[in-house]
Amino acid sequence: QLVLTQSPSASASLGASVKLTCTLSSGHRSYAIAWHQQLPEKGPRYLMKLHSDGTHNKGDGIPDRFSGSSSGDERYLTISSLQSEDEGDYYCQTWGTGSVLFGGGTKLTVL
Amino acid sequence: EVQVLESGGGLVQPGGSLRLSCAASGFTFSTYAMNWVRQAPGRGLEWVSSITDGGGSTYYADSVKGRFTISRDNSKNTLFLQMNSLGADDTAVYYCVKARAPNKVLDAFDMWGQGTMVTVFS
Repeated sequence: QLVLTQSPSASASLGASVKLTCTLSSGHRSYAIAWHQQLPEKGPRYLMKLHSDGTHNKGDGIPDRFSGSSSGDERYLTISSLQSEDEGDYYCQTWGTGSVLFGGGTKLTVL
Repeated sequence: EVQVLESGGGLVQPGGSLRLSCAASGFTFSTYAMNWVRQAPGRGLEWVSSITDGGGSTYYADSVKGRFTISRDNSKNTLFLQMNSLGADDTAVYYCVKARAPNKVLDAFDMWGQGTMVTVFS
């Protein structure tokens, strides 16, 4: 069964880097995912599509501070030079035969 | 500019129906799969339904299967979601979302609308 697992929360200091993780369930390590950002009281925004080989396709206007990488069944979103406006929820998304799935989301706090 | 704009949300009693619409612009609507995603208050994102570019195939989450119907009118660049037998668990913001790549059945979502609120109350 296709499942995406995210840690509920993460925190990092202003100006630092943070690496968020999305883990695919066993048997699905070849799957691509997408990362989405949701700032407080806003709708989600597409950040990037991330492939199993680590290549990614970022959305228009997404700063270079946002990058993606992959290792086995894990997909990462790294945000460098953290800014206060990066605080919010981050969701991973994937898709299979006839269905789409979101991870539970990670709430990022910028200290 | 690529844009999707939802409408049709509102208050409805349990067991009632509502039809959401999504007007798309700035891209060749008829070549992209389209989707609905919802978010209950204080909760995460939940995929609801998807439809292929030509409308020939549709997909639903188990939680809405048999009650919701997704459709599209490519001549009017509009996506719909007919929601029947609504219950309290359907209370959420509903987002219209575009698939990233043309002519793909399912893909990453790359353009979100601002959402429309559906509240089921008694």
